[in-house]
Amino acid sequence: EAGVTQFPSHSVIEKGQTVTLRCDPISGHDNLYWYRRVMGKEIKFLLHFVKESKQDESGMPNNRFLAERTGGTYSTLKVQPAELEDSGVYFCASSQMGGPHGEQYFGPGTRLTVT
Amino acid sequence: QQPVQSPQAVILREGEDAVINCSSSKALYSVHWYRQKHGEAPVFLMILLKGGEQKGHEKISASFNEKKQQSSLYLTASQLSYSGTYFCGTEMGGTGGFKTIFGAGTRLFVKA
Repeated sequence: EAGVTQFPSHSVIEKGQTVTLRCDPISGHDNLYWYRRVMGKEIKFLLHFVKESKQDESGMPNNRFLAERTGGTYSTLKVQPAELEDSGVYFCASSQMGGPHGEQYFGPGTRLTVT
Repeated sequence: QQPVQSPQAVILREGEDAVINCSSSKALYSVHWYRQKHGEAPVFLMILLKGGEQKGHEKISASFNEKKQQSSLYLTASQLSYSGTYFCGTEMGGTGGFKTIFGAGTRLFVKA
């Protein structure tokens, strides 16, 4: 069974540019999460989809971040325009069950560097 | 509220034991433990749901205290492969359901 995949693995962009990150969850997993880890700090929750609906987007930093999940399958996270503080590793995770019982499977992450 | 992990980092020799703690000021629904090796995805280790619960996974085990405010991860007879950053994740309920809040991580380095 294929795991969670993310694309690209690395992205280096200039401040003010736009970047779109993609996540393909494990097939059949309705729950999809986005997280961000800044060097040496915690894995910070960004948002949670259940199928195509945003269940919780309380962790999204500001309106420069837009997440979508078309048809409840893959998800994209767009940053527009990017700022220096957006740099970090963006992880996507999926789970079959949501809530406190759901074991989450993480993707390898996209390392975003904004210069 | 982010759970507090301690210690921040630990260096062990192969075969030594370690304990990583994760605590919260409020009772938690559950605690998840993950390990992330450098440049890789965090990998799920185990989840604890009930107060007083203990679980084991090979030589790695964890406990959740009765008040569900603290969890500890025990690494016994550590191996080189145990090196990485360990995160505890706790569930916070809200209007949108549950979300996982992770601690800042504990860096574990096992040397030969």
